[in-house]
Amino acid sequence: GAVVSQHPSWVICKSGTSVKIECRSLDFQATTMFWYRQFPKQSLMLMATSNEGSKATYEQGVEKDKFLINHASLTLSTLTVTSAHPEDSSFYICSARSRYGPNTGELFFGEGSRLTVL
Amino acid sequence: AQSVSQHNHHVILSEAASLELGCNYSYGGTVNLFWYVQYPGQHLQLLLKYFSGDPLVKGIKGFEAEFIKSKFSFNLRKPSVQWSDTAEYFCAVSRPMDTGRRALTFGSGTRLQVQP
Repeated sequence: GAVVSQHPSWVICKSGTSVKIECRSLDFQATTMFWYRQFPKQSLMLMATSNEGSKATYEQGVEKDKFLINHASLTLSTLTVTSAHPEDSSFYICSARSRYGPNTGELFFGEGSRLTVL
Repeated sequence: AQSVSQHNHHVILSEAASLELGCNYSYGGTVNLFWYVQYPGQHLQLLLKYFSGDPLVKGIKGFEAEFIKSKFSFNLRKPSVQWSDTAEYFCAVSRPMDTGRRALTFGSGTRLQVQP
């Protein structure tokens, strides 16, 4: 099956620093990747849609300058949390759709990255 | 705005009991429907999906779900749960986006706890 890998799986940083999270599709090409955020005991909230070769599309209420998304290739998207603050602590999950195959909307998910900002 | 509702937030069952988790969505157009499972410490995994055809969908590990269009529902069922089914279950619906691509909108999740 399609595999999506995230790195790092967990990171602790100081307030004010920036953190980059990578999302890779290991065995398929993904023109579209989605970044979600999951708070404890809550559902996944879509943050942005990452399109290869173009600017990301952000959901309402998500700060573009705070959460920088780069989709440099068909297998890699990165999320950079800039000037992180404790309220940014969360579980960030990326997902990807295969470039080929039926357009059923199925997504393949990464393992998630837990960010803790001190 | 489209929403996905999961009415059961926390379900506790004994092994061998039957399971039904409710899921309702509000989007009126064409949708694709999914159930994902998240075992403790693991990433989301697809249980089953519906996009057309037989409204009764069978997935992995003995799970099934029935799409009832008139009720905007896609309930998940399993005749006999096991301790290993303890996990968080998410219903999700795909929606069209302004670019024509589709993201998933998730329900709030249901935590299933199966007691041995």
